[in-house]
Amino acid sequence: ETGVTQSPTHLIKTRGQQVTLRCSSQSGHNTVSWYQQALGQGPQFIFQYYREEENGRGNFPPRFSGLQFPNYSSELNVNALELDDSALYLCASSLEQGHLWGYTFGSGTRLTVV
Amino acid sequence: RKEVEQDPGPFNVPEGATVAFNCTYSNSASQSFFWYRQDCRKEPKLLMSVYSSGNEDGRFTAQLNRASQYISLLIRDSKLSDSATYLCVAFQGAQKLVFGQGTRLTINP
Repeated sequence: ETGVTQSPTHLIKTRGQQVTLRCSSQSGHNTVSWYQQALGQGPQFIFQYYREEENGRGNFPPRFSGLQFPNYSSELNVNALELDDSALYLCASSLEQGHLWGYTFGSGTRLTVV
Repeated sequence: RKEVEQDPGPFNVPEGATVAFNCTYSNSASQSFFWYRQDCRKEPKLLMSVYSSGNEDGRFTAQLNRASQYISLLIRDSKLSDSATYLCVAFQGAQKLVFGQGTRLTINP
């Protein structure tokens, strides 16, 4: 079975632009969570999607939004990029909402905002 | 105050040494606890779960003290390959992992 895959691996954007990051969940996993990891910090929870609905959100502004598709893949969209949005964005999938069964991280997308 | 706090280090120790990491958490409703390992520019990977009864996996021992809201990780006979950042993690609200800042460990030959 394939693991969690994220694309692109690296990205450079200009302040004010919009970006879309993509995540394919592990086969059979219906829950996807997104995290932001700034340099020298631990990952911070952005939000979680379960069966195409947002199922919890961390302390991030509305310009961070997401989608989950019927095949459980997911997108993270960030509008009006700021320099502080530069970070590693991690996606994790799990077998079921509310549990950590098979909780697996992708290798991340490194976003640089200039 | 951060929900999960760790000493950021860095810890530099010689090969073969014993290393201890400590972590505290502030949300008593946290359900489960873990240690993750993260290599440079890679994703975090689960190292081990942490239980009140303590658990051991080879050279690694983890312990949870719910009364003190304290978590520990002990690495015995450290290897060069143990060099990484170790993240203390709490599972909260049935949906999110709350990570500490991470402690960077370097094992020196």
